[in-house]
Amino acid sequence: DAKTTQPNSMESNEEEPVHLPCNHSTISGTDYIHWYRQLPSQGPEYVIHGLTSNVNNRMASLAIAEDRKSSTLILHRATLRDAAVYYCILRREYGNKLVFGAGTILRVKS
Amino acid sequence: DAGITQSPRYKITETGRQVTLMCHQTWSHSYMFWYRQDLGHGLRLIYYSAAADITDKGEVPDGYVVSRSKTENFPLTLESATRSQTSVYFCASSRLAFSSYNEQFFGPGTRLTVL
Repeated sequence: DAKTTQPNSMESNEEEPVHLPCNHSTISGTDYIHWYRQLPSQGPEYVIHGLTSNVNNRMASLAIAEDRKSSTLILHRATLRDAAVYYCILRREYGNKLVFGAGTILRVKS
Repeated sequence: DAGITQSPRYKITETGRQVTLMCHQTWSHSYMFWYRQDLGHGLRLIYYSAAADITDKGEVPDGYVVSRSKTENFPLTLESATRSQTSVYFCASSRLAFSSYNEQFFGPGTRLTVL
């Protein structure tokens, strides 16, 4: 499985946008970029995924670099409830397994 | 209630005892997974199952046994618990894999302490 690299932690102010980066320089053509997050004392939950084009959903946006070697998860207005560990994961098109790295701990200040 | 549930939520046991962690999902998802989460290691896959009676090893299967006689249940058994198996265990499920989506839905976790 191709590897992803994320910062250990980031901090944001409430109501401000947050950009969480992820590097995946060894990504293959059939790898999708998935993001999950884990709120304190809970199991992970799906956030968003994409292949080449930028993606939006009600939770976040995913911006994917043209060469696909990096991506950015964007939370448009961080709230205290967004404080969590965010995981960037590469997954083959029809794959089922997720390989979790250390993720980025996001702290949101009020 | 619909969803994915785990029981017990907390368990304390002693070294050498057999422990079974239960996982139940109501979506009829084909795939089910067991992960463990430890400080410094993140989430690691123990075992997974593509359907009833089909299971396969993940990254850290040693010391664990799984079975899947029914689609909705995926119990994880520690045959002889060791202190190194103290961890938080998460069960997850997902639909059959013919989609780029295949979101995994996670249970609330079981915190296991082996004394």
